[in-house]
Amino acid sequence: AQRVTQPEKLLSVFKGAPVELKCNYSYSGSPELFWYVQYSRQRLQLLLRHISRESIKGFTADLNKGETSFHLKKPFAQEEDSAMYYCALGGGSGGGADGLTFGKGTHLIIQP
Amino acid sequence: DTGVSQNPRHKITKRGQNVTFRCDPISEHNRLYWYRQTLGQGPEFLTYFQNEAQLEKSRLLSDRFSAERPKGSFSTLEIQRTEQGDSAMYLCASSLTGGFTNYGYTFGSGTRLTVV
Repeated sequence: AQRVTQPEKLLSVFKGAPVELKCNYSYSGSPELFWYVQYSRQRLQLLLRHISRESIKGFTADLNKGETSFHLKKPFAQEEDSAMYYCALGGGSGGGADGLTFGKGTHLIIQP
Repeated sequence: DTGVSQNPRHKITKRGQNVTFRCDPISEHNRLYWYRQTLGQGPEFLTYFQNEAQLEKSRLLSDRFSAERPKGSFSTLEIQRTEQGDSAMYLCASSLTGGFTNYGYTFGSGTRLTVV
């Protein structure tokens, strides 16, 4: 069975400090992993995909298959990063195309 | 095209009534997904369509839930005989898919259902 664990419900850091949002997954096949973000009063939106190995808004995430992790990192937090962050896992025969399993989310608060 | 559109934004209904929600995806997206999100949880996958074909519906929560996408464009999600436990945010998303690659979803703003 697929499972995504985000161990921190709430993470508070000061502006300028590094941020790491943890995500661990359980899946026996070849996973596709995503980070989604939801800013206050906005819709859920894609932040980044592991397969594209991109950096969006200064965030990066590396898939570690040995540790089954996909932690989201940013070296210097900014106040506008305050939001709800969800890690999501795709699997099955269609990769991530046939539905995602989301974690419960981490509420990131950046203090001034 | 302004993105994924969901209507209504809010729905309050009495227990036992039927409700229907509508989703208009991004026009060039071939896949459409329905999710449910309850307080403190991440979105929970319900069903999805590729064009007009419903390719996965085993995750629908009960036989009171059904979804259609008759012409491969907009989709409806119906809940019959609503129960208080159905109160949640219902999210629609669409995506462009090539082969086994998911290019990532575009979500709508959701329909918040309250069953009283």
